[in-house]
Amino acid sequence: GQNIDQPTEMTATEGAIVQINCTYQTSGFNGLFWYQQHAGEAPTFLSYNVLDGLEEKGRFSSFLSRSKGYSYLLLKELQMKDSASYLCAVRSLRDDKIIFGKGTRLHILP
Amino acid sequence: ETGVTQSPTHLIKTRGQQVTLRCSSQSGHNTVSWYQQALGQGPQFIFQYYREEENGRGNFPPRFSGLQFPNYSSELNVNALELDDSALYLCASSKSGANTEAFFGQGTRLTVV
Repeated sequence: GQNIDQPTEMTATEGAIVQINCTYQTSGFNGLFWYQQHAGEAPTFLSYNVLDGLEEKGRFSSFLSRSKGYSYLLLKELQMKDSASYLCAVRSLRDDKIIFGKGTRLHILP
Repeated sequence: ETGVTQSPTHLIKTRGQQVTLRCSSQSGHNTVSWYQQALGQGPQFIFQYYREEENGRGNFPPRFSGLQFPNYSSELNVNALELDDSALYLCASSKSGANTEAFFGQGTRLTVV
């Protein structure tokens, strides 16, 4: 089976940096995704890590350590529009299923 | 825009009724997954279809069923609707075996009254 844990809520200030952690347990790992979801909308893709290390994409970076079952999403120069839920999801090697965590609701304060 | 479209976008049904939700996958994608997302929760995996067959199922009762068609579009059917079935239903398409992301449709908001 799969188990994915991430904090329920976080608060940060506009212009600052925030790191959202995700730990997972899976019987076969084939990649980890981060999605952003604004209230009432569908998730939108942010990043995908299948190998260890840091992937940087503009203000957003994602890190993966497969041996630790750990990932984080780093958001820099926070903007008010970054207020959203951030979903960590793991793809199973066995059947390609993508399973989501409960999501982290990020509140940005001015 | 992801190329994955779902219909309808909103739906209101009465408890005990049946509902069919539709999803057209992105061109080149052969796998469709369905998720149920309750308010404030992460998407819960319902099932996945690959080459017109169910290829994995989450913890949902048999009254949740689906189909995938030769053009890889898909349907989600829910029988005997319950109030707790009220949720956002998301469809995601992906390409099996490829290390790429899954693209989501805009979702169908189902309200059961």
